Amino acid sequence: DTEVTQTPKHLVMGMTNKKSLKCEQHMGHRAMYWYKQKAKKPPELMFVYSYEKLSINESVPSRFSPECPNSSLLNLHLHALQPEDSALYLCASRRTRGEKLFFGSGTQLSVL
Amino acid sequence: GQQLNQSPQSMFIQEGEDVSMNCTSSSIFNTWLWYKQEPGEGPVLLIALYKAGELTSNGRLTAQFGITRKDSFLNISASIPSDVGIYFCAGQLAGNNRKLIWGLGTSLAVNP
Repeated sequence: DTEVTQTPKHLVMGMTNKKSLKCEQHMGHRAMYWYKQKAKKPPELMFVYSYEKLSINESVPSRFSPECPNSSLLNLHLHALQPEDSALYLCASRRTRGEKLFFGSGTQLSVL
Repeated sequence: GQQLNQSPQSMFIQEGEDVSMNCTSSSIFNTWLWYKQEPGEGPVLLIALYKAGELTSNGRLTAQFGITRKDSFLNISASIPSDVGIYFCAGQLAGNNRKLIWGLGTSLAVNP
Protein backbone atom coordinates (compact mmCIF):
# COMPACT_ATOMS: atom_id res chain seq x y z
CA ASP A 1 0.00 0.00 0.00
CA THR A 2 1.57 3.27 -1.13
CA GLU A 3 -1.41 5.54 -0.59
CA VAL A 4 -1.35 9.13 0.57
CA THR A 5 -4.87 10.50 0.93
CA GLN A 6 -5.63 14.20 0.58
CA THR A 7 -8.87 16.06 1.24
CA PRO A 8 -10.59 17.98 -0.14
CA LYS A 9 -9.92 17.31 -3.83
CA HIS A 10 -11.00 20.83 -4.78
CA LEU A 11 -11.32 24.01 -2.71
CA VAL A 12 -12.51 27.48 -3.60
CA MET A 13 -12.00 30.18 -1.00
CA GLY A 14 -12.18 33.92 -0.64
CA MET A 15 -9.25 36.00 0.52
CA THR A 16 -10.79 36.43 3.99
CA ASN A 17 -11.60 32.76 4.55
CA LYS A 18 -9.86 30.26 6.79
CA LYS A 19 -9.64 26.69 5.53
CA SER A 20 -7.54 23.59 6.10
CA LEU A 21 -6.09 20.93 3.83
CA LYS A 22 -5.70 17.44 5.22
CA CYS A 23 -3.33 14.59 4.42
CA GLU A 24 -3.18 11.06 5.80
CA GLN A 25 -0.86 8.08 5.29
CA HIS A 26 -0.76 4.72 7.01
CA MET A 27 2.52 3.44 5.62
CA GLY A 28 4.48 4.20 8.79
CA HIS A 29 6.38 6.95 7.00
CA ARG A 30 8.05 9.39 9.38
CA ALA A 31 8.77 12.19 6.89
CA MET A 32 5.84 14.16 5.48
CA TYR A 33 5.88 17.04 3.01
CA TRP A 34 3.78 19.86 1.63
CA TYR A 35 4.45 20.98 -1.94
CA LYS A 36 2.87 23.69 -4.08
CA GLN A 37 2.59 23.14 -7.82
CA LYS A 38 1.62 25.53 -10.59
CA ALA A 39 0.36 24.16 -13.90
CA LYS A 40 3.01 22.39 -16.02
CA LYS A 41 5.75 23.21 -13.46
CA PRO A 42 7.57 20.89 -11.05
CA PRO A 43 6.42 20.77 -7.42
CA GLU A 44 7.94 23.39 -5.11
CA LEU A 45 8.77 22.34 -1.58
CA MET A 46 7.00 24.25 1.20
CA PHE A 47 7.41 22.30 4.45
CA VAL A 48 8.96 19.07 5.71
CA TYR A 49 8.03 17.28 8.94
CA SER A 50 10.38 14.64 10.25
CA TYR A 51 9.20 12.54 13.19
CA GLU A 52 6.34 15.01 13.67
CA LYS A 53 8.68 17.99 14.02
CA LEU A 54 8.98 20.76 11.46
CA SER A 55 12.42 20.36 9.91
CA ILE A 56 12.21 22.53 6.78
CA ASN A 57 10.25 25.71 6.08
CA GLU A 58 11.13 27.04 2.64
CA SER A 59 10.45 30.67 3.63
CA VAL A 60 6.73 30.16 3.15
CA PRO A 61 4.49 33.14 4.04
CA SER A 62 2.80 32.90 7.43
CA ARG A 63 -0.65 32.74 5.83
CA PHE A 64 0.25 29.05 5.36
CA SER A 65 0.49 27.23 8.68
CA PRO A 66 1.41 23.53 8.78
CA GLU A 67 0.54 21.13 11.57
CA CYS A 68 1.44 17.50 12.20
CA PRO A 69 -0.93 16.16 14.90
CA ASN A 70 0.54 12.64 14.76
CA SER A 71 2.72 10.42 12.60
CA SER A 72 -0.11 9.68 10.15
CA LEU A 73 -1.65 13.12 9.70
CA LEU A 74 -0.53 16.39 8.20
CA ASN A 75 -2.60 19.55 7.92
CA LEU A 76 -2.07 22.84 6.13
CA HIS A 77 -4.06 25.74 7.58
CA LEU A 78 -4.83 28.59 5.18
CA HIS A 79 -5.75 32.13 6.14
CA ALA A 80 -5.96 35.38 4.19
CA LEU A 81 -4.63 33.86 0.99
CA GLN A 82 -3.99 35.79 -2.21
CA PRO A 83 -5.17 34.91 -5.73
CA GLU A 84 -1.58 34.02 -6.66
CA ASP A 85 -1.73 31.24 -4.06
CA SER A 86 -4.10 29.35 -6.37
CA ALA A 87 -2.32 26.08 -7.22
CA LEU A 88 -2.31 22.32 -6.72
CA TYR A 89 -1.19 21.54 -3.15
CA LEU A 90 0.45 18.18 -2.80
CA CYS A 91 1.19 16.12 0.27
CA ALA A 92 3.92 13.50 0.14
CA SER A 93 5.57 11.05 2.50
CA ARG A 94 8.52 8.72 2.69
CA ARG A 95 9.93 6.23 5.15
CA THR A 96 13.18 8.09 5.74
CA ARG A 97 15.16 10.79 4.01
CA GLY A 98 16.71 9.63 0.77
CA GLU A 99 14.07 7.04 -0.04
CA LYS A 100 11.10 6.89 -2.41
CA LEU A 101 8.72 9.84 -2.08
CA PHE A 102 5.02 9.08 -2.55
CA PHE A 103 2.50 11.79 -3.38
CA GLY A 104 -1.19 12.20 -2.77
CA SER A 105 -3.53 13.26 -5.57
CA GLY A 106 -3.51 16.86 -4.36
CA THR A 107 -5.95 19.63 -3.51
CA GLN A 108 -6.70 22.04 -6.35
CA LEU A 109 -7.06 25.39 -4.61
CA SER A 110 -8.62 28.48 -6.14
CA VAL A 111 -8.46 31.78 -4.26
CA LEU A 112 -10.97 34.38 -5.42
CA GLY B 1 17.84 27.32 -6.70
CA GLN B 2 19.49 24.23 -8.08
CA GLN B 3 17.85 22.63 -11.10
CA LEU B 4 18.10 19.60 -13.30
CA ASN B 5 18.26 19.98 -17.07
CA GLN B 6 15.49 17.77 -18.42
CA SER B 7 15.03 17.20 -22.13
CA PRO B 8 13.18 17.22 -24.32
CA GLN B 9 10.66 19.74 -23.02
CA SER B 10 7.88 18.11 -25.04
CA MET B 11 7.35 15.22 -27.43
CA PHE B 12 4.62 14.39 -29.94
CA ILE B 13 4.82 10.78 -31.08
CA GLN B 14 2.81 8.10 -32.83
CA GLU B 15 1.39 5.19 -30.88
CA GLY B 16 3.87 2.32 -30.90
CA GLU B 17 6.97 4.49 -31.03
CA ASP B 18 9.70 4.37 -28.40
CA VAL B 19 10.41 7.44 -26.25
CA SER B 20 13.58 8.59 -24.56
CA MET B 21 14.09 11.48 -22.14
CA ASN B 22 16.93 12.43 -19.84
CA CYS B 23 18.05 14.61 -16.98
CA THR B 24 21.53 16.02 -16.50
CA SER B 25 23.29 18.11 -13.90
CA SER B 26 26.72 19.38 -13.00
CA SER B 27 26.24 17.98 -9.49
CA ILE B 28 26.51 14.43 -8.20
CA PHE B 29 23.35 12.63 -7.11
CA ASN B 30 22.85 9.53 -4.99
CA THR B 31 19.19 8.90 -5.89
CA TRP B 32 17.12 9.44 -9.03
CA LEU B 33 13.33 9.24 -9.09
CA TRP B 34 11.13 9.31 -12.19
CA TYR B 35 7.49 10.41 -11.92
CA LYS B 36 4.52 10.66 -14.27
CA GLN B 37 1.81 13.23 -13.67
CA GLU B 38 -1.60 13.50 -15.31
CA PRO B 39 -3.75 16.65 -15.18
CA GLY B 40 -5.29 17.34 -11.78
CA GLU B 41 -3.45 14.45 -10.13
CA GLY B 42 -0.34 14.09 -8.04
CA PRO B 43 2.94 12.72 -9.44
CA VAL B 44 3.08 8.92 -9.51
CA LEU B 45 6.42 7.28 -8.84
CA LEU B 46 7.53 5.14 -11.80
CA ILE B 47 11.09 4.09 -11.02
CA ALA B 48 13.64 4.74 -8.26
CA LEU B 49 17.40 4.39 -8.82
CA TYR B 50 20.04 4.27 -6.08
CA LYS B 51 23.36 3.14 -7.61
CA ALA B 52 25.55 4.47 -10.40
CA GLY B 53 25.05 2.34 -13.50
CA GLU B 54 21.82 0.81 -12.18
CA LEU B 55 19.33 -0.15 -14.90
CA THR B 56 15.77 -0.77 -13.71
CA SER B 57 12.60 -1.69 -15.60
CA ASN B 58 8.94 -1.30 -14.76
CA GLY B 59 6.87 -2.88 -17.56
CA ARG B 60 7.55 -0.91 -20.75
CA LEU B 61 9.60 1.66 -18.82
CA THR B 62 13.36 1.44 -18.33
CA ALA B 63 15.51 3.94 -16.44
CA GLN B 64 19.22 4.15 -15.80
CA PHE B 65 21.36 5.93 -13.21
CA GLY B 66 24.28 7.42 -15.14
CA ILE B 67 27.75 6.11 -14.39
CA THR B 68 29.03 9.61 -13.59
CA ARG B 69 26.11 10.04 -11.10
CA LYS B 70 25.23 13.31 -12.85
CA ASP B 71 22.53 12.06 -15.17
CA SER B 72 19.66 9.63 -15.69
CA PHE B 73 17.45 8.61 -18.58
CA LEU B 74 13.98 7.13 -18.96
CA ASN B 75 12.87 5.07 -21.95
CA ILE B 76 9.30 4.08 -22.79
CA SER B 77 8.92 1.32 -25.35
CA ALA B 78 5.94 0.81 -27.67
CA SER B 79 4.05 3.88 -26.43
CA ILE B 80 0.28 3.75 -25.97
CA PRO B 81 -2.27 6.59 -25.57
CA SER B 82 -2.37 6.24 -21.78
CA ASP B 83 1.33 7.17 -21.62
CA VAL B 84 0.24 10.79 -22.14
CA GLY B 85 1.29 13.07 -19.29
CA ILE B 86 4.21 15.05 -17.90
CA TYR B 87 7.26 13.07 -16.83
CA PHE B 88 9.48 14.56 -14.13
CA CYS B 89 12.89 13.49 -12.94
CA ALA B 90 13.92 14.29 -9.39
CA GLY B 91 17.29 13.74 -7.78
CA GLN B 92 18.73 13.64 -4.31
CA LEU B 93 22.10 15.39 -4.09
CA ALA B 94 24.97 13.40 -2.64
CA GLY B 95 25.59 14.66 0.87
CA ASN B 96 22.18 16.31 1.14
CA ASN B 97 19.20 14.01 1.54
CA ARG B 98 16.85 16.68 2.83
CA LYS B 99 15.47 17.97 -0.47
CA LEU B 100 14.78 16.70 -3.95
CA ILE B 101 15.93 18.68 -6.99
CA TRP B 102 13.41 18.58 -9.85
CA GLY B 103 13.62 18.72 -13.62
CA LEU B 104 11.17 20.97 -15.47
CA GLY B 105 9.35 18.01 -16.98
CA THR B 106 8.83 16.37 -20.37
CA SER B 107 5.31 16.66 -21.74
CA LEU B 108 4.39 13.58 -23.80
CA ALA B 109 1.56 13.46 -26.33
CA VAL B 110 0.74 10.19 -28.13
CA ASN B 111 -1.19 10.18 -31.38
CA PRO B 112 -3.32 7.01 -31.65
